[in-house]
Amino acid sequence: QVQLQESGPGLVKPSETLSVTCTVSGGSISGYYWSWIRQPPGKGLEWIGYIHYSGTTKYNPSLKSRVTMSVDTPKNQFSLKLNSVTAADTAVYHCARYAISGFVLDYWGQGTLVIVSS
Amino acid sequence: QTVVTQEPSFSVSPGGTVTLSCGLSSGSVSTSNYPSWHQQTPGQAPRTLIYSTNARSSGVPDRFSGSILGNKAALTITGAQAGDESDYYCLLYVDGGTYVFGTGTKVTVL
Repeated sequence: QVQLQESGPGLVKPSETLSVTCTVSGGSISGYYWSWIRQPPGKGLEWIGYIHYSGTTKYNPSLKSRVTMSVDTPKNQFSLKLNSVTAADTAVYHCARYAISGFVLDYWGQGTLVIVSS
Repeated sequence: QTVVTQEPSFSVSPGGTVTLSCGLSSGSVSTSNYPSWHQQTPGQAPRTLIYSTNARSSGVPDRFSGSILGNKAALTITGAQAGDESDYYCLLYVDGGTYVFGTGTKVTVL
């Protein structure tokens, strides 16, 4: 059974860079697209973007200037960096996998809360 | 900026039927938007119920069904149960190859 586990700093200061990693177990990162989704407290889901195991990326246009995603195939991990953060970036950050057939998120991580505060 | 709109809330009686909708600011939703539906209970990760308009994910009861109704994607819950009380989000594949979540619908069963 594929499992995704996010890990992050918990607290980030305004204007700094938020970094979150997703570790994949029970399956390989190779061959799939992987996504990041976030949810501010009490609000809805926001699609941040995806990365293919080969490194191809696609980002939400509203976040594109601040987002970088990367893949570490030997570690079976992928990561999200969001720079110049503000309080509006406070959210639970989820990672998820697109099924091999595409267009559907078939596995989700539980998420990690990142708070932006001084 | 593409906006995907859902009803804020719905109430349904146990055993009743409810249909949630998912509309696109730029026009009609079609199968080319690969609509998917995701259920989320507080404090939990979302769970994918429906994908590619009307395909059910593994283990999802057939009480949940997806379709295109008019110019919107739709999720119908037939024979609602107390355990269906959740937030429901649609997700659409849009121009530019990106995805957009809907605003979410809170379903109450009472």
